[in-house]
Formats: sequence, C-alpha cells, structure tokens
Amino acid sequence: QKEVEQNSGPLSVPEGAIASLNCTYSDRGSQSFFWYRQYSGKSPELIMFIYSNGDKEDGRFTAQLNKASQYVSLLIRDSQPSDSATYLCAVISNFGNEKLTFGTGTRLTIIP
Amino acid sequence: GAGVSQTPSNKVTEKGKYVELRCDPISGHTALYWYRQSLGQGPEFLIYFQGTGAADDSGLPNDRFFAVRPEGSVSTLKIQRTERGDSAVYLCASSLTSSGLADNEQFFGPGTRLTVL
Repeated sequence: QKEVEQNSGPLSVPEGAIASLNCTYSDRGSQSFFWYRQYSGKSPELIMFIYSNGDKEDGRFTAQLNKASQYVSLLIRDSQPSDSATYLCAVISNFGNEKLTFGTGTRLTIIP
Repeated sequence: GAGVSQTPSNKVTEKGKYVELRCDPISGHTALYWYRQSLGQGPEFLIYFQGTGAADDSGLPNDRFFAVRPEGSVSTLKIQRTERGDSAVYLCASSLTSSGLADNEQFFGPGTRLTVL
C-alpha cells in the first residue's frame, strides 16, 4: 500500500463548478497535510496546508481533514481554466522531520 | 526576492558518467531538500539538510547518490555511474527552518531534468 494515495484522474470539471480532490494516507501518526499545485513542466507550489481536523478555507480553496478516516481533501469553488493542473497531496509524518511524502497527483482539467 | 535556483536546467549524459546538480536555496533558509520526480509520479524524497548536516538521507536510492551542503547554503547532488533509471526531474526545495512547525513552507526550485542515454 502506498503511503499517500490519490486518484490519478484525469478529473474534468466545468468552469464555475466545484472540483473535489481526494487523498488518503496510511500513517495514522501523520501530523501535517499539504496540497500543492503543479502546472505542466513547472515545479510544485503550495496551495494549502492543514493539520487540525475539520475545514480550512482560503479564498476559493477549502481543505478538509479527517484524521480518524485518514482522509484529506481539497475543494476548489468557482473553478477557473487557470486551475487546470496536477494537484499533489503531501504529508509530513513527524514533527522535527519535515520531509514530504507525496501522492502521485490528480490531473484536473477545467472545461470552459 | 530570488527564489530557489537550480543548475543546470537540463542535463543529458551517457550511462556510466558522473553528474553534479546544484541548488541555491532562498537566502536565509536553513533547511534544504532534494526530491526527484519521474513522469506521472509525485516527487520522491531523497535527502534533507538542516544547516550543513544531512538530517535525513533515507531516500537516497543507493550509494551512487551523494549530496553535500558544505557551507549551509548551496547544495550539490552527485550521482556516480549514472543509469538510465536515474532519468527524472530533480527538484530542490528550501524552507526557513526545520523546526517542526506545520506551516513551514517548502519552496521548490524549477528542477533539473536529467536524461541518461
């Protein structure tokens, strides 16, 4: 079992709709959770981080964490064509060791 | 301000050759990370430095891979006797510290695309 799992997609969403991206992780002791966006041929850039159960909102983005279910998600409201990218879920397992463990990423396409 | 820079942006080499990949972190960032990303995969951790010392090198795939950060700033990833399977994008990231804070963002460089023929 992979440590961080994501549906690789591609996921196609109409412009203006809500895109929902999901991630599960295997290490129950994981502490911090990150969503990175990666455009084709570019490096990852941080969208959101979350470390407490519940929702965290930042503009059009909402991260949701459920530690009991070992599940983290990213919602993108009012999807725009510029949101088309690969979204990477990443996890830090232990405070004091900041290495990120990434999923394979979900490719998202927003259809105008 | 300047972000993380990596050189070269592209490197093509022949099987069996030695390569060095360089990373210049953001000024003042004490933590530096190396990842590699194969096509269609997420970045895979290789090694990270806190200052000059390697805090965790558990991701280095074998002893052909080595990394240094002698002055706590620039880092070099060294690959000996390259193999075709080493072909990937090598990403470097830096963060202000490695303090255990959950919001200590890692900023990624543009990567070096390594192709081993």
